[in-house]
Amino acid sequence: EIVLTQSPGTLSLSPGERATLSCRASQSVSSSYLAWYQQKPGQAPRLLIYDASSRATGIPDRFSGSGSGTDFTLTISRLEPEDFAVYYCQQYGSSRTFGQGTKVEIK
Amino acid sequence: EVQLLESGGGLVQPGGSLRLSCAASGFTFSSYAMSWVRQAPGKGLEWVSGISGSGGSTYYAGSVKGRFTISRDNSYNTLFLQMNSLRAEDTAVYYCAKTNSRVAPNYFDYWGQGTLVTVSS
Repeated sequence: EIVLTQSPGTLSLSPGERATLSCRASQSVSSSYLAWYQQKPGQAPRLLIYDASSRATGIPDRFSGSGSGTDFTLTISRLEPEDFAVYYCQQYGSSRTFGQGTKVEIK
Repeated sequence: EVQLLESGGGLVQPGGSLRLSCAASGFTFSSYAMSWVRQAPGKGLEWVSGISGSGGSTYYAGSVKGRFTISRDNSYNTLFLQMNSLRAEDTAVYYCAKTNSRVAPNYFDYWGQGTLVTVSS
């Protein structure tokens, strides 16, 4: 099973700042089959990025994904108030597993 | 508009059974693989099970293999999860999720609001 490790656990930033979230896989993720989700309290997750760098429908361009192999990154170029949430990565190259999440909180 | 509506959650004793349902609308249900994803209270997401669009292929996480059974009725646009031999660690919100694949579940582009399953005596 591919284990995904997200870092940091919590990111404390101010609106307008840049957020960089990391997702590291225990083995190479084939074909960059990696997705990112946003989850707010009491809500279902929302798909942000798939295939490592493709934005899902309706997702603002301040969200971008990059990476390949074992190292992937989600970048939020300028944080808006509604972006403070928990973010999960998920791989689907070998079965399906999620990372443990990164919480982006207001500083 | 894609809509997924889960039902069937509730309180069940350890060793008991429960059947979850997910009513889908707004897309051609039989064309897409579907999955169940769960989230224990205060914890992260865990993929549980998936099924191909035709229902001919099923996939399970190791933690539920042999205890849970996923199925679908394409005539009624409904996804099911039969959960047997439930344990305390199965306590979670269970989400129904649509994938963007016809065969094997990949990423999850639409999610339901979830149904809570509590396993406790």
